[in-house]
Amino acid sequence: NAGVTQTPKFQVLKTGQSMTLQCAQDMNHEYMSWYRQDPGMGLRLIHYSVGAGITDQGEVPNGYNVSRSTTEDFPLRLLSAAPSQTSVYFCASSYSQRGYTDTQYFGPGTRLTVL
Amino acid sequence: GESVGLHLPTLSVQEGDNSIINCAYSNSASDYFIWYKQESGKGPQFIIDIRSNMDKRQGQRVTVLLNKTVKHLSLQIAATQPGDSAVYFCAENAGGTSYGKLTFGQGTILTVHP
Repeated sequence: NAGVTQTPKFQVLKTGQSMTLQCAQDMNHEYMSWYRQDPGMGLRLIHYSVGAGITDQGEVPNGYNVSRSTTEDFPLRLLSAAPSQTSVYFCASSYSQRGYTDTQYFGPGTRLTVL
Repeated sequence: GESVGLHLPTLSVQEGDNSIINCAYSNSASDYFIWYKQESGKGPQFIIDIRSNMDKRQGQRVTVLLNKTVKHLSLQIAATQPGDSAVYFCAENAGGTSYGKLTFGQGTILTVHP
């Protein structure tokens, strides 16, 4: 298994540009999520999905959209990039067990810079 | 390199010593806790977890202690090695309707000197 994969690894955008960060997992995990990590801080949840067709907002959802058309893929879209979105983005997935939260496995991250 | 950790708590130990990393959590409804290790330029890596119905759990060279009375979590690493140098994060989940929503702590930088 490749686990959780993310592309691209690095990206530079200009203010106002749009782009999609890709995330895929091959572990048949139901739960997927996106976090951002800023200097000196832990990870903050942007959006998450408990299964195909179901998404919900996390702690810092503004400026980001997600969709979950398949179990494997969970892309994160920046509609109009802003310098405040400069960060490292991590995708994570876990196997859903009824009544319990399972360990989340993280991808290698995408380092995004918005000029 | 990445500037994560410029203002994080730090812990420096000698190789072979035991390390203790602490974490305070705020949500008394949290019922699941995880410790992650993050090396420079990589994603967080699972170390060990514990559910709220336990107060101690052991893994290979690591032990997690949970004190729900004071809402405190600790990670103990035995015989610390240079490869243990990383940023360590605790994370909590409140369960129920908060399923999957992990809240991460600030992180602690562990440096192990040979």
